[in-house]
Amino acid sequence: DSGVTQTPKHLITATGQRVTLRCSPRSGDLSVYWYQQSLDQGLQFLIQYYNGEERAKGNILERFSAQQFPDLHSELNLSSLELGDSALYFCASSPRQEYGYTFGSGTRLTVV
Amino acid sequence: GQNIDQPTEMTATEGAIVQINCTYQTSGFNGLFWYQQHAGEAPTFLSYNVLDGLEEKGRFSSFLSRSKGYSYLLLKELQMKDSASYLCAVFSTDSWGKFQFGAGTQVVVTP
Repeated sequence: DSGVTQTPKHLITATGQRVTLRCSPRSGDLSVYWYQQSLDQGLQFLIQYYNGEERAKGNILERFSAQQFPDLHSELNLSSLELGDSALYFCASSPRQEYGYTFGSGTRLTVV
Repeated sequence: GQNIDQPTEMTATEGAIVQINCTYQTSGFNGLFWYQQHAGEAPTFLSYNVLDGLEEKGRFSSFLSRSKGYSYLLLKELQMKDSASYLCAVFSTDSWGKFQFGAGTQVVVTP
């Protein structure tokens, strides 16, 4: 157990639907990062939150949004889902960027 | 921005040594990380280099040359369980708040 908790582990949904992925960072970590990994693709950075505020944005689609709550857990909302959104979505947390990330076990999203 | 290049795939025999190279282009370099990722699982931290030189950790070693924008991960005494993707990631002050990951090198260990 890495200490970063992601739920659900698996999600199957239809095109056009909306889903919410949840992440709880390691105790004490203020930063949360979201990454997308499609089949045979590298990790693509989506967005970072630090202590409730958005800090950095990557190639995140407008259909996707995220937030970090006062208790530091984060949610990634994916809407108007398309088949191409099927991927592993990882959340990671860190106390400071230079200490590296600890990843959660990921949510496997399948859009059918 | 950053460019990170690493080979797509490498194959080696159990008990052998494999060296995975990573080259990067960035300004504001602030550290290089190696992660291991088994298929369908989360990446796990292997090593961190911020200064030039070799860092050794058991069967795994990582080297960094900042002037050359070059790093390698050395895997010794390969075991079947080492079959995985190895990700090079660069932390730069130019991309505050996120690492840039390479596409990963798939290492296949054969009996």
